[in-house]
Amino acid sequence: QQQVKQSPQSLIVQKGGISIINCAYENTAFDYFPWYQQFPGKGPALLIAIRPDVSEKKEGRFTISFNKSAKQFSLHIMDSQPGDSATYFCAANQGGSEKLVFGKGTKLTVNP
Amino acid sequence: DAGITQSPRHKVTETGTPVTLRCHQTENHRYMYWYRQDPGHGLRLIHYSYGVKDTDKGEVSDGYSVSRSKTEDFLLTLESATSSQTSVYFCAISASTGGYTFGSGTRLTVV
Repeated sequence: QQQVKQSPQSLIVQKGGISIINCAYENTAFDYFPWYQQFPGKGPALLIAIRPDVSEKKEGRFTISFNKSAKQFSLHIMDSQPGDSATYFCAANQGGSEKLVFGKGTKLTVNP
Repeated sequence: DAGITQSPRHKVTETGTPVTLRCHQTENHRYMYWYRQDPGHGLRLIHYSYGVKDTDKGEVSDGYSVSRSKTEDFLLTLESATSSQTSVYFCAISASTGGYTFGSGTRLTVV
């Protein structure tokens, strides 16, 4: 069973635009929500993460928005650049030592 | 990736042969994981370890076994490789704080 549903599967954005990727989860015990960025031929790398005690976390052009009541969280990439073209995975887990559950990924293409 | 290395990076093997992939870490992290990545399926957990000689199955463990005799090494073995096991395999490590660090992956082709 898929515990984290990610959408869209693919996304094409123009340079300078806003990229938005959404994830929904089922397990209300989840308390850690990271996003990973993966470039072709590389392993996923932690981009940004949030815990449910805050509704938003911003790091540079990347923002996580978290809606606990809706059990949803999203990644916003402001002023998207061609260098942001990659596959993005959302994930969630319960407690620091539990294994992460991953969404299926979103392939983002930013056109120049 | 710093602190975690996978070997080999690429391998082509024949159906029915055993294959072992190695993950080595220098971070002394307790938790280690093996994932496979396939188009349309994202990252799927094969096996994981929470300490030396302590391992458990993930969601796609059939046909795979693991061993962890030292903190720094986590081996994934395909007992008898099949074409369905052609994939990119990633190892990941974590301390107790939740975030994973992934290796660069092993691209395995079974012909």
